Amino acid sequence: GESVGLHLPTLSVQEGDNSIINCAYSNSASDYFIWYKQESGKGPQFIIDIRSNMDKRQGQRVTVLLNKTVKHLSLQIAATQPGDSAVYFCAENYAGGTSYGKLTFGQGTILTVHP
Amino acid sequence: GAVVSQHPSWVICKSGTSVKIECRSLDFQATTMFWYRQFPKQSLMLMATSNEGSKATYEQGVEKDKFLINHASLTLSTLTVTSAHPEDSSFYICSAIPGQGYGYTFGSGTRLTVV
Repeated sequence: GESVGLHLPTLSVQEGDNSIINCAYSNSASDYFIWYKQESGKGPQFIIDIRSNMDKRQGQRVTVLLNKTVKHLSLQIAATQPGDSAVYFCAENYAGGTSYGKLTFGQGTILTVHP
Repeated sequence: GAVVSQHPSWVICKSGTSVKIECRSLDFQATTMFWYRQFPKQSLMLMATSNEGSKATYEQGVEKDKFLINHASLTLSTLTVTSAHPEDSSFYICSAIPGQGYGYTFGSGTRLTVV
């Protein structure tokens, strides 16, 4: 049955502010990491990814930072907009140089952007 | 391109009946698809890996006789929830990997409510 509910961490920001969402991952062997955005009632939407041979990657308004020493990922969103309000998940994967393996999702963070 | 279509988007069924959820890759072939379950305000939990032409691989704790997976073609995987009970009510999401450069692509999810 349904697990006892874990309350997702929340982050509230004002429109135009920068947002930083953090994630701790579990497997030190993971070599591929992805950030997803999930809006209510929808499937996860890809935002940005990073491989373990990098420590930073930038996209449009988003930056992912990877710290393998402490197994930590962060997602930075610049000039946050109300449309960015959603739940954000990090996911890790160990591909091992072959085909993609299965993804393991982190806990998730609820981002609320106030106009 | 690289779209994963899931059907139905929502379904209500009576306790004890079975429900089938379809996951289709619309413009690519997917030898592997993944099925996830997500309870409200929680993260995505991998249920099983669906392999075209062979048996699915289930995660620990997932009843394979209750959650039947069939991946009979390179574009279609189905998840059948057999003898559904209210505790099976959840959001079910599938994903597939279109190929290098696409990463994991997710369907829009199916909201199952068992009454």
